[in-house]
Amino acid sequence: GQNIDQPTEMTATEGAIVQINCTYQTSGFNGLFWYQQHAGEAPTFLSYNVLDGLEEKGRFSSFLSRSKGYSYLLLKELQMKDSASYLCAVPDSNYQLIWGAGTKLIIKP
Amino acid sequence: DSGVTQTPKHLITATGQRVTLRCSPRSGDLSVYWYQQSLDQGLQFLIQYYNGEERAKGNILERFSAQQFPDLHSELNLSSLELGDSALYFCASSVAPSGGSAGELFFGEGSRLTVL
Repeated sequence: GQNIDQPTEMTATEGAIVQINCTYQTSGFNGLFWYQQHAGEAPTFLSYNVLDGLEEKGRFSSFLSRSKGYSYLLLKELQMKDSASYLCAVPDSNYQLIWGAGTKLIIKP
Repeated sequence: DSGVTQTPKHLITATGQRVTLRCSPRSGDLSVYWYQQSLDQGLQFLIQYYNGEERAKGNILERFSAQQFPDLHSELNLSSLELGDSALYFCASSVAPSGGSAGELFFGEGSRLTVL
């Protein structure tokens, strides 16, 4: 079956770096998505990884290891506006996204 | 602005009632997805339509139904409402026939349903 695990909540300090982990189990692999969701708002796309390695996009980077069923989202130079939930999602065998419960990131001054 | 429009933004109704949520996808997107998100919960996939046809079904209750019209807008009908149906209902669209085939999903701002 499909399963995605993320920490429920993390706290970090403004200006610091935080790594949000995601482990997944799928019968096949068709990539991994990260989305950001501010409280009460719509999720917005952050990244898509299909090959192993690190993809950098400004302050945000996403890493994938297919052999380990593991990904992380790295946020640098944290800003207060980064306080949000971060959702990890992988497609199932029918290419429908299976979503993790999300990691709520709290940024403190 | 994702380009996906949902109405109404807020809706308050009573148990046992029926409501209809509406979604207009981004211009050019053929797929529409409906998700339910209860307070502090993850996104629960309800149903997907692609170019007017039902494509995939998730954890959608029998009291709920949806359709996609020829102009590609979609409606989600929720009937015999219960307190537990109170949630944010998101619509998303994509170009691809499924959101996982490297296709990014674009979400509307959601419809917040409160059942009293």
